[in-house]
Order: sequence, then C-alpha cells, then structure tokens
Amino acid sequence: AQTVTQSQPEMSVQEAETVTLSCTYDTSENNYYLFWYKQPPSRQMILVIRQEAYKQQNATENRFSVNFQKAAKSFSLKISDSQLGDTAMYFCAFMKPHTSYGKLTFGQGTILTVHP
Amino acid sequence: NAGVTQTPKFQVLKTGQSMTLQCAQDMNHEYMSWYRQDPGMGLRLIHYSVGAGITDQGEVPNGYNVSRSTTEDFPLRLLSAAPSQTSVYFCASSYSSGAKNIQYFGAGTRLSVL
Repeated sequence: AQTVTQSQPEMSVQEAETVTLSCTYDTSENNYYLFWYKQPPSRQMILVIRQEAYKQQNATENRFSVNFQKAAKSFSLKISDSQLGDTAMYFCAFMKPHTSYGKLTFGQGTILTVHP
Repeated sequence: NAGVTQTPKFQVLKTGQSMTLQCAQDMNHEYMSWYRQDPGMGLRLIHYSVGAGITDQGEVPNGYNVSRSTTEDFPLRLLSAAPSQTSVYFCASSYSSGAKNIQYFGAGTRLSVL
C-alpha cells in the first residue's frame, strides 16, 4: 500500500516571499501521479498542480512549481511571490493510474499562513 | 454544469440516528468516491464506485454503506451514527481514463455526532 507523509504540520511565510512545502511517499510502483491540493477556509478542495512520474520535467503552474525527486520519493511544492490568498491547508496526494479507479492517498496536510 | 454537489453542508446527529449524505455529479463520470477528513490524518477513503451497480470498500468503511443505482448519484449512509463519525465528508468523481485523472470534489459536509 502507498503512504504519503507531510512532516510539516504548519508553515508560515511573509507576503511576496517564497515557501516550500515537503512531501514524501512510499510506493513500489514505477508509474503513478502526484498531486498538490489546496483547501482554503471555504473547505473546497482545489487542484494546484499535478506531476506524472514518468515525466522528468518538474510541473509548474504560474507561481506554483514542484521539485520531483523520483529516486528519493520526494515531491515538494514551491510557492513563489506568496499572496494572502495562498493561506490554506495543502495536501499532497498519490494515485496509481489505470488500476486505482480514481482513488487518492493523501498526506496529513500542511497549514500555510501567509502574513502581510 | 454544477460539478459535484453535496448535501447537506452541515448536519448534527445524535448517537444512534441514521442519515444519508447525498452526492450528485453532472459530468457523466464513471468513478465516484467518499472520503472523510480528520485533523492530522488528511483525507481517507471510505467507499468508492467504478460505475452504476459497482461499489467497493476503501480504507475506513466500517459504519458506512453505499450504493450506486445511477451514474450521477452516490449516497453515503450512516445506519447508526457514532461520535467517532464526527468529521468532514467529501465526495469526488472522475473519468475512468484520460482527462489527466483529475478528481473533482464537492464542497464537503461537516457532520457532528453528539
């Protein structure tokens, strides 16, 4: 079974600065997907970024980028130019393609607070 | 498109009461899932479905029942609520292939069992 670990329960950053959230996972699979989801106080789950394990290039979405280290089973999220609206809980998640039937395995979450 | 719709948004139950959390999607997704979110534990899978008439257990299925009679609806039933079922519940859906395996989540239901 897969496990996902987020070792930082809480993080804080000043507005306009950069912050990195950590995520490690354990799997025997070679092909899989990794995700970062954002959950603001509204409780809605919002997909931030997605990485396919067979792609060596790190995914980027505007101010959000990942550092995907497949051998180390590490998948960190970097948020550049942090904004007050980035304040949220962030979840790292794992999915096996094709056989997982859409099921996600989540980490424990990291609460990020952006200070003005 | 409304996406994934969950009702109710909030619910308070007494121990032993029963209730159904509703989930409906209008995207013709084959896959649907129920998760519960608890502090320090992330989201954990309760039950999932790969299509109408087909359901299976996830990581934490005890105390919950599901059925899927149509592609659109996937209700979650608590037959006899317990305080341990106090949680936030999310329904999610996705296509079975393509579309980058993206899960679409409902807005969640906050349930308190007294």
